[in-house]
Amino acid sequence: QQQVKQSPQSLIVQKGGISIINCAYENTAFDYFPWYQQFPGKGPALLIAIRPDVSEKKEGRFTISFNKSAKQFSLHIMDSQPGDSATYFCAASVTGGFKTIFGAGTRLFVKA
Amino acid sequence: GAGVSQSPSNKVTEKGKDVELRCDPISGHTALYWYRQRLGQGLEFLIYFQGNSAPDKSGLPSDRFSAERTGESVSTLTIQRTQQEDSAVYLCASSSGGLAGLQETQYFGPGTRLLVL
Repeated sequence: QQQVKQSPQSLIVQKGGISIINCAYENTAFDYFPWYQQFPGKGPALLIAIRPDVSEKKEGRFTISFNKSAKQFSLHIMDSQPGDSATYFCAASVTGGFKTIFGAGTRLFVKA
Repeated sequence: GAGVSQSPSNKVTEKGKDVELRCDPISGHTALYWYRQRLGQGLEFLIYFQGNSAPDKSGLPSDRFSAERTGESVSTLTIQRTQQEDSAVYLCASSSGGLAGLQETQYFGPGTRLLVL
């Protein structure tokens, strides 16, 4: 119940295309869903996050779509660029709790 | 400090040796986490410190792993009698401490790359 399942494991997208990464969870107590971006040799860094009271959040080219009934959320990267090539982790946590559960990660490669 | 720092950045050791990894969290952050990331894998939770509370050690994979934290500052992760399967990147993160109603952002250090030969 504590798992967050992330897919795909890897993704290759042409420059200018849309990158879509999906995550699913089971614990309905989760109420905070961040996405982290990790470049090679670096630690993960928060990219964008959403709470379940909204169905979508957009920041620049990055959009989170959230489906509470399906217990799924996804990251969309519009107009993908080679600089977006990184590993992306979805995560989930409970407000006031401490443990963040991370997905297994998606390695994105954007071809120039 | 400006961010989470970790040392050493790389460590090569022989099987059976002990290693100590250090994490300096962001000043004022009461929560500190250790994760392990094997090559091409996700983040594996190891241990969590929050202020003066007892740490949550539920993620430590064996009794060869231990961690300490002095107050709300530096933490050290110790791996005794290292094995080849311990080879991984060990990431430390800190956050502001889980105050009610606040969403927690974890700020990660660059990691320590451990190679056990």
